Amino acid sequence: EPEVTQTPSHQVTQMGQEVILRCVPISNHLYFYWYRQILGQKVEFLVSFYNNEISEKSEIFDDQFSVERPDGSNFTLKIRSTKLEDSAMYFCASSEGVALGYEQYFGPGTRLTVT
Amino acid sequence: AQSVAQPEDQVNVAEGNPLTVKCTYSVSGNPYLFWYVQYPNRGLQFLLKYITGDNLVKGSYGFEAEFNKSQTSFHLKKPSALVSDSALYFCAVRDTRGGSYIPTFGRGTSLIVHP
Repeated sequence: EPEVTQTPSHQVTQMGQEVILRCVPISNHLYFYWYRQILGQKVEFLVSFYNNEISEKSEIFDDQFSVERPDGSNFTLKIRSTKLEDSAMYFCASSEGVALGYEQYFGPGTRLTVT
Repeated sequence: AQSVAQPEDQVNVAEGNPLTVKCTYSVSGNPYLFWYVQYPNRGLQFLLKYITGDNLVKGSYGFEAEFNKSQTSFHLKKPSALVSDSALYFCAVRDTRGGSYIPTFGRGTSLIVHP
């Protein structure tokens, strides 16, 4: 069964450093998403991406964040200058379509620890 | 605005007994409802969804959920719990009115099935 993959599984970085989280969505999916989950808290939407541009973004997704699909398979989330409060599990997801009835398929997540 | 609530942080049930994980929602239009499961160190996996039609929806691993419009609920159920069902369960909702395609997730309910 096809699945979403993410690398690395765990990233430790110092405050102020840039990090890039990588995702490979399911190959025939067209819509891509990033979510984060701070330990013990709810899953929060960051951004959605379709046709090489951002479709929707949340208030969390400020100028420190950016997304890119550099080639036909990878989907990346960049945090330019990490803060302590960016420590969280980051999930990539993809879906076949964007209509309300489409379910999302999630990757295993990248645990980001900012020290 | 759309929102979803999972009133229980944790549900404990004995193996072989029926289980229920509760979810209530609030939307302006009509709801599209989803259940996801998260096993340790894994991403969220889609279990089932309600779009329209029969109020009882069947999904993966023997799970089902009942849509109740009057009570604005979408509780997840299984007739006979397995120890392997122990995981974190998330309810999610999309509103047909509001213009966003992004689901809102609940905080999650930890299901513990005791042998």
